[in-house]
Amino acid sequence: EVQLVESGGGLVQPGRSLKLSCAASGFTFSNYYMAWVRQAPKKGLEWVATISTSGSRTYYPDSVKGRFTISRDNAKSSLYLQMNSLKSEDTATYYCARPYYGYKDVMDAWGQGASVTVSS
Amino acid sequence: DIQMTQSPASLSASLGETVTIECRASEDIYNGLAWYQQKPGKSPQLLIYNANSLHTGVPSRFSGSGSGTQYSLKINSLQSEDVASYFCQQYYNYPNTFGAGTKLELK
Repeated sequence: EVQLVESGGGLVQPGRSLKLSCAASGFTFSNYYMAWVRQAPKKGLEWVATISTSGSRTYYPDSVKGRFTISRDNAKSSLYLQMNSLKSEDTATYYCARPYYGYKDVMDAWGQGASVTVSS
Repeated sequence: DIQMTQSPASLSASLGETVTIECRASEDIYNGLAWYQQKPGKSPQLLIYNANSLHTGVPSRFSGSGSGTQYSLKINSLQSEDVASYFCQQYYNYPNTFGAGTKLELK
C-alpha cells in the first residue's frame, strides 16, 4: 500500500523558515517524480514544487520560486520542502504527492497533509 | 498562467441523479486535464486524467469528456459516498493550475 506521511508543520512567524518532510513507503520511491501541493483554508489546490527522480531537476511556480526548495533522499525514501521567508499567504495544508507514473503533474497518491500557519 | 474556471461552485443533488461539473480553461489545454475528488477532511484523490481516462479503481459511474477549452465531469447514479468537493487541474502548460472546486452535497 502506498503511504505518504508528512511531518514538520506548525506555527511560524512571518519571515521565518520551516522544513517539511514526507516519508514514503509501499512503492519504489526512486522511480517516481515527487511533488508538494498546498491548500489554503477553505480554498482550492495550488501546486508548490516538483522534483525529478534523481533530484537533478526541480520545478516551482512563481509564487514560491526563490523561497521554497524541494529536495529528496532516495536512500531514505524521503521528500523535503524547505520554506524560507514565509508569508501569511503561505498558510495552508501542505500535501506530499506522487505523480502518476509517466506524468509529472497528475497526482495519484497524496499524504494526509501537514498544516502550516504563518502568523505573528 | 492558464486560468481554470469551474462551475458550479456548489451543487445539491439527489441520490441516483446524474450530475455534471464543468471546467473551462482560458486557452486550449489539449486534453491535459485531470479531475480530483476530495471528501471532507481527507486528501484529494485522482479520478480522471487526460480528460477522459478513468484512474484505476475509480467507479465507472464517473466519466470525463471535453476538448479544447471546455471539459466536464459526469457522475451517473449519484451515491452518498460521492459527497465531496471536486477539482479540475490543467497540466498542459506550466504551471499546472487547479479550478476553485465544486462542492457536491445531497439534496
